[in-house]
Amino acid sequence: AQSVTQLGSHVSVSEGALVLLRCNYSSSVPPYLFWYVQYPNQGLQLLLKYTTGATLVKGINGFEAEFKKSETSFHLTKPSAHMSDAAEYFCAVRGTSGNTPLVFGKGTRLSVIA
Amino acid sequence: SAVISQKPSRDICQRGTSLTIQCQVDSQVTMMFWYRQQPGQSLTLIATANQGSEATYESGFVIDKFPISRPNLTFSTLTVSNMSPEDSSIYLCSVNRDSGNTIYFGEGSWLTVV
Repeated sequence: AQSVTQLGSHVSVSEGALVLLRCNYSSSVPPYLFWYVQYPNQGLQLLLKYTTGATLVKGINGFEAEFKKSETSFHLTKPSAHMSDAAEYFCAVRGTSGNTPLVFGKGTRLSVIA
Repeated sequence: SAVISQKPSRDICQRGTSLTIQCQVDSQVTMMFWYRQQPGQSLTLIATANQGSEATYESGFVIDKFPISRPNLTFSTLTVSNMSPEDSSIYLCSVNRDSGNTIYFGEGSWLTVV
């Protein structure tokens, strides 16, 4: 079975500082990996995903993540935080078969301080 | 236009009643997935709905409480039965497309049980 661990339920950064949200997965084979963002009272929005190919994945809003198989990690980063980045971030994993569901981590709430 | 049309988008329900949520997909898909997001929590998979067979429920979810129908390859319903305040959540349906490389979510059904 696959699982996802997000380290830190709440991360607070200053505006302009580096954003680092950690995600580790457990899977018997390298899975597909995703990061979603959810703004207050809104639905999920896909930030980025890794399926195959380049392990450094660039997403929307300046975010990127790197798949590190040796560390079973898929941490999300952004060089400079903006106030509008304040939201809940979810890391998710799924198998490479086309009909497998996503398994979500518990989420990390990002706060950005002016 | 949206890949998934989900309704109702919001509802306030009396405890003890049941509510059926509908998901309509704009093309045929094999599997449809139903998730629950309780307030302040992550998404949890309720069940996987495959056309022509009984839905497969995850641990902690039972058919009597969350009956699912999947009458064809573009439509599914989830019923939340005998609701209590603990059922107040966002319920989302999801499908995989493009051989699983793209995942779509409905906008969610935001249920409040009073």
